[in-house]
Parts: sequence; C-alpha cells; structure tokens
Amino acid sequence: EAGVTQFPSHSVIEKGQTVTLRCDPISGHDNLYWYRRVMGKEIKFLLHFVKESKQDESGMPNNRFLAERTGGTYSTLKVQPAELEDSGVYFCASSQVWGIEQFFGPGTRLTVL
Amino acid sequence: DQQVKQNSPSLSVQEGRISILNCDYTNSMFDYFLWYKKYPAEGPTFLISISSIKDKNEDGRFTVFLNKSAKHLSLHIVPSQPGDSAVYFCAAGGTSGTYKYIFGTGTRLKVLA
Repeated sequence: EAGVTQFPSHSVIEKGQTVTLRCDPISGHDNLYWYRRVMGKEIKFLLHFVKESKQDESGMPNNRFLAERTGGTYSTLKVQPAELEDSGVYFCASSQVWGIEQFFGPGTRLTVL
Repeated sequence: DQQVKQNSPSLSVQEGRISILNCDYTNSMFDYFLWYKKYPAEGPTFLISISSIKDKNEDGRFTVFLNKSAKHLSLHIVPSQPGDSAVYFCAAGGTSGTYKYIFGTGTRLKVLA
C-alpha cells in the first residue's frame, strides 16, 4: 500500500511569489493534516480535514495560507504571497476515521528567498 | 507557550545500553501521547503510543511510561541499536476528539557502535 506522498520535495521561491504544495493521503484515509516545522523547532499543527471539510484550522498562520481538499482525496496548501518566515518543512499526514496513528509524508522543504 | 517540551536536544548512548528520552507537557486534558521517530529527509514515523488511562505501554524494545501527576512521559529503548539513531518527537493531543497533535522540538539520539 502506498504511503502519504507529497509534491514537490523541495521548492525555492522568492518573497512575494506563490507556491502550491500537494499531498496525497493513504487511500481510504478520511483525516488529513498539515503540519510545519520551522528551523529545527517543533512540528506545528496547521489544519485538519475530515474528507473535504475543514475540521480545525486553528494553526493556520494567516490568510496568506489557503488549504483545500476538493473531493476529499488529495489536498493542496497554497501560500500567496510567500514571506521569508514561511520557510520550513511542510508535512502532510493522514489517518483512518478513528485512527490515533497519523502517517506522515516525507515533507516539502520550502525556502523563501 | 509550548505545551509539549523535550528539554534534551540530543543524547548519545552506547550500543546495547538503555536510551531514555524524556518529555514534559502542561495540558492535563491530553488524552493520547505518541512517540515518532524521524530520519533525515523523511517524514516522522509512528513508534508507540499511550492513552492517558495507562501508565505503561510496551512494544518490543520500546516502552513508554506516563506519569500523569508529574505531566511527564519517557521513552525507553532497550537495548539500543545503531539503527535507532534518529530524531525522536514526543506528541500529545486528543482533547478535542480530532487527534490534532502538539509536538515537542525533538531529541536527537545517537547510538554509538
């Protein structure tokens, strides 16, 4: 069974540009989470989807970040316009309906210059 | 304010000996605690979890202990192996039923052959 996949693995953009990150969860997993790790700090929760609905988006930093999960399958996280402090590794995770264990993808390393 | 703290950024242990990784938390409402292991350029991998109604959970070489009164948990790895060298993250959550996890900053474990 394929794990959680993320694309791209790396992205280098300039301040003010737009970047879209994609996450494909494990097939059948209704729960999808986005997390971010900045500069070796803690892995911080951004938001949680249950199917296509946003269950909790309390961790989204500001309105420059937009997450979608159309059709309840893959998800995208768009940053527009990107700022220097948005640099970090963005992880996506998925879990089953009542699953405690979240399965993480390899992450997308975003560098904003 | 960090709700989950891992105060030791790194730990070195001889192969075959015990590794003890510590984690403290502040929110007494957390229901679940997990340990994740992370290798470079990969996403975190689930290792072991414990519910707040238990004080110990064992899985092979890995044991997690929970002390609710002290708001402290620890991960014991016995015996430690070179392949255990990784960054270990403690995570807590489950208060809202959404399994949104709060992560610590991680402890880098190095097992010396």
